[in-house]
Amino acid sequence: DIQMTQSPSSLSASVGDRVTITCRASQGISNSLAWYQQKPGKAPKLLVFAVSRLDSGVPSRFSGSGSGTDYTLTISGLQPEDFATYYCQHYYSTPLTFGGGTKVEIK
Amino acid sequence: EVQLLESGGGLVQRGGSLRLSCAASGFTFSSYAMSWVRQAPGKGLEWVSGISSSGGSTYYADSVKGRFTISRDNSKNTLYVQMNSLRAEDTAVYYCAKGRIAGRGTNWFDPWGQGTLVTVSS
Repeated sequence: DIQMTQSPSSLSASVGDRVTITCRASQGISNSLAWYQQKPGKAPKLLVFAVSRLDSGVPSRFSGSGSGTDYTLTISGLQPEDFATYYCQHYYSTPLTFGGGTKVEIK
Repeated sequence: EVQLLESGGGLVQRGGSLRLSCAASGFTFSSYAMSWVRQAPGKGLEWVSGISSSGGSTYYADSVKGRFTISRDNSKNTLYVQMNSLRAEDTAVYYCAKGRIAGRGTNWFDPWGQGTLVTVSS
């Protein structure tokens, strides 16, 4: 099974900051990686698929990058509505697995 | 608008059974793989099970293999998961999620339902 290691598990940041979240796969996943945002009490929402493709309606301050086993989600210019928990997910093979999550909190 | 509406959650005793349903609308249900993903209280996301668009292929996490059975009724646009031999560690919000790309077995998920809470009492 492919393990997804996400870091950090939490971070504190201010509005306007640039935030970077990392996800490392235990083996190559051929860019089969998505990112989700989850707010308390709500279902996850798709942000990025295929490493760097933003879903429709996702603000351009979000960006994804990476290859091989190492992937990154960057938020450039954090907005109040971005305080949430973020998860990566590989879809290279079953079992599909998620990273442990990164909670982005207000500093 | 694509909608997924889960139902069937509730309180069940350890060792008991429960069947969750997910009613889908707004898309051609029979064209898309579907999955169940759960989230224990205060914890992260865990993929539980997936099923191909036709229902001919099913996939399970090791944690539920042999206890959970995923199925679908494409005539009713409904996804199911039968959960048997429930354990305390199965306590979670269970989400159904639609595979994004038609016909693709492994997928990213969009959208997700609102979730249904399953509580297993010990």
